[in-house]
Amino acid sequence: LAKTTQPISMDSYEGQEVNITCSHNNIATNDYITWYQQFPSQGPRFIIQGYKTKVTNEVASLFIPADRKSSTLSLPRVSLSDTAVYYCLVGDSNYQLIWGAGTKLIIKP
Amino acid sequence: DSGVTQTPKHLITATGQRVTLRCSPRSGDLSVYWYQQSLDQGLQFLIHYYNGEERAKGNILERFSAQQFPDLHSELNLSSLELGDSALYFCASSPRTSGTYEQYFGPGTRLTVT
Repeated sequence: LAKTTQPISMDSYEGQEVNITCSHNNIATNDYITWYQQFPSQGPRFIIQGYKTKVTNEVASLFIPADRKSSTLSLPRVSLSDTAVYYCLVGDSNYQLIWGAGTKLIIKP
Repeated sequence: DSGVTQTPKHLITATGQRVTLRCSPRSGDLSVYWYQQSLDQGLQFLIHYYNGEERAKGNILERFSAQQFPDLHSELNLSSLELGDSALYFCASSPRTSGTYEQYFGPGTRLTVT
C-alpha cells in the first residue's frame, strides 16, 4: 500500500516562493503524481500533475526526482489568496487513491 | 464552477437512518469518485466508478454503497447512520480511469447525523 507524508503546516510571506514536499513510497509505476489546493468548505481544486522531472504551468511547478519517492510543489511569489491546504495524491498498484494528510499553508502580509 | 453538481448541499438526519447523496459529473467524464472528509481531516477515498462499473474500493464501510447509472450520474447510499458519519462528502469526475488523477470536484454534501 502506498503511503504519503507531507508537513502539517507552513508559513510564508507575500511575494516569496514556497516549496511543499510530499514523500511517497510504493506508488504505481505508471501513474502521475498530482497536487490539489483546498479552501475551507470547498472541494479540492487541481493544481498540477507530473510523472518525472519538472512540470510547470501558469500557477505552479512540480519537481519529481528520478526515483519518484517524493515530489515538490513550488508556488512562485505567493499572495494572501494562496492561503489554503495543499494535498498530494498518488495511486498504488491496486488502484487505490492515496491522499496526503494535507499541508496548511498560511501566507502573511 | 467545476461542472460537477452534488445534491443536496446540506443534510441533517438522525442515527440509524439512511440517506442518498447524488452526483452529476462533468459532461463527457466517465469516471466518478466519492470521498469523505471529516471535520479538519484529509480526504478519504471511498469508491471509484468508470462508465457504470466499479473500478476500485477504498475505505468504504459495508453500510455504504454506491452506483453509477447509464446516464453517468452516481449515488452514494449511507445506511444505519452513526454520529461518526457526519462529514463532507465530495464526488469528483474525470475523463480517464487510471494513470492520471486530474479530477474535478463538486461542492460537496455536508451530512450531519444527530
